[in-house]
Amino acid sequence: DTGVSQDPRHKITKRGQNVTFRCDPISEHNRLYWYRQTLGQGPEFLTYFQNEAQLEKSRLLSDRFSAERPKGSFSTLEIQRTEQGDSAMYLCASSFSGATNEKLFFGSGTQLSVL
Amino acid sequence: TQLLEQSPQFLSIQEGENLTVYCNSSSVFSSLQWYRQEPGEGPVLLVTVVTGGEVKKLKRLTFQFGDARKDSSLHITAAQPGDTGLYLCAGALLKTSYDKVIFGPGTSLSVIP
Repeated sequence: DTGVSQDPRHKITKRGQNVTFRCDPISEHNRLYWYRQTLGQGPEFLTYFQNEAQLEKSRLLSDRFSAERPKGSFSTLEIQRTEQGDSAMYLCASSFSGATNEKLFFGSGTQLSVL
Repeated sequence: TQLLEQSPQFLSIQEGENLTVYCNSSSVFSSLQWYRQEPGEGPVLLVTVVTGGEVKKLKRLTFQFGDARKDSSLHITAAQPGDTGLYLCAGALLKTSYDKVIFGPGTSLSVIP
């Protein structure tokens, strides 16, 4: 296993379109996070899963955002009716919650540009 | 409201200088991590501190966790251009039986040759 992978690396879309991103975590990790990051800022928490259960969703996340992790492995993040303010880097991270100290391993992110 | 604050926001120094960046919060964390991020890539974990007062060293980097587990510092000795990047602190917040990791806004470091 080579780490967390995200697809696509870059996505350009027009305002109003729907987009979907995929994250494949490290195989033995049971926890998966989605973050959003804008230029020069730290990652902003969106949601996270433990196995297939979505444990928390940020209040900042509008109803246009939805995430799934159907079999406790890969995850998808969908944004419906995209807006220009959605432009950002979307980062996925995985971890093993059974460890004493949780360590996040990040993918390279999906850079979304909404025109 | 930022649960984690970092200072300074930007730092530009000459190669060979020493520097310290800070991470502060009013919340108590079960653990705190430091990450380094380069443009266009995801953050990479540098270290995790768990015990109040803990000090960890990673080559020229020294990390300290505050006694009350609310703050941390990162000290770099003899900075090199390869140290350039965004330094992020992240804390695991205890919430019932779950904890989640949240990030500070980062310190952008530029080391000039």
